[in-house]
Amino acid sequence: QQPVQSPQAVILREGEDAVINCSSSKALYSVHWYRQKHGEAPVFLMILLKGGEQKGHEKISASFNEKKQQSSLYLTASQLSYSGTYFCGTVATGANNLFFGTGTRLTVIP
Amino acid sequence: DAGITQSPRHKVTETGTPVTLRCHQTENHRYMYWYRQDPGHGLRLIHYSYGVKDTDKGEVSDGYSVSRSKTEDFLLTLESATSSQTSVYFCAIRVQGDTEAFFGQGTRLTVV
Repeated sequence: QQPVQSPQAVILREGEDAVINCSSSKALYSVHWYRQKHGEAPVFLMILLKGGEQKGHEKISASFNEKKQQSSLYLTASQLSYSGTYFCGTVATGANNLFFGTGTRLTVIP
Repeated sequence: DAGITQSPRHKVTETGTPVTLRCHQTENHRYMYWYRQDPGHGLRLIHYSYGVKDTDKGEVSDGYSVSRSKTEDFLLTLESATSSQTSVYFCAIRVQGDTEAFFGQGTRLTVV
């Protein structure tokens, strides 16, 4: 039941943009996005609830297409601090469990 | 920071021995989860709980059991540890269905 993330890895230069995608085979109630730095715990970025609402967090935003059960995370004008592994998490409609994808390793270079 | 503590933080154990990992929260959150993190697999759900004595299996529950006798503690037990259970284990908590998860700092378990 893990959601599928793509790409698996991406390398950016500072200032470039990136998109990370997440899709599920289940009808979703919510999609979560987290970032994990090496050796640390994942940290919450944002949550999108059923309704297709787009959210923003500084230069990081996300969308949720509930018809397609897909979400995308948009990172604009990337900074070195954006480096890390990004995970999407999904909660299916009517469920309590939170499943995570396999992650996308993002590396921002000067 | 959310009040969530995992113990131990590191453990080395021998194959065949039982191991218990503890997740303790001070937030009184209803939902608690155990994940394992392995290269190439991301975070995989082992077990979760939605209240005292209410637990359910995740996607990789074989070889693991859990217990939650108090709101604040969620225990993960490896009945007979195997080398394939060498991993980093994370506990997470959530208030309710439409809120974010907070993670503990993780437990690095090595089975030799």
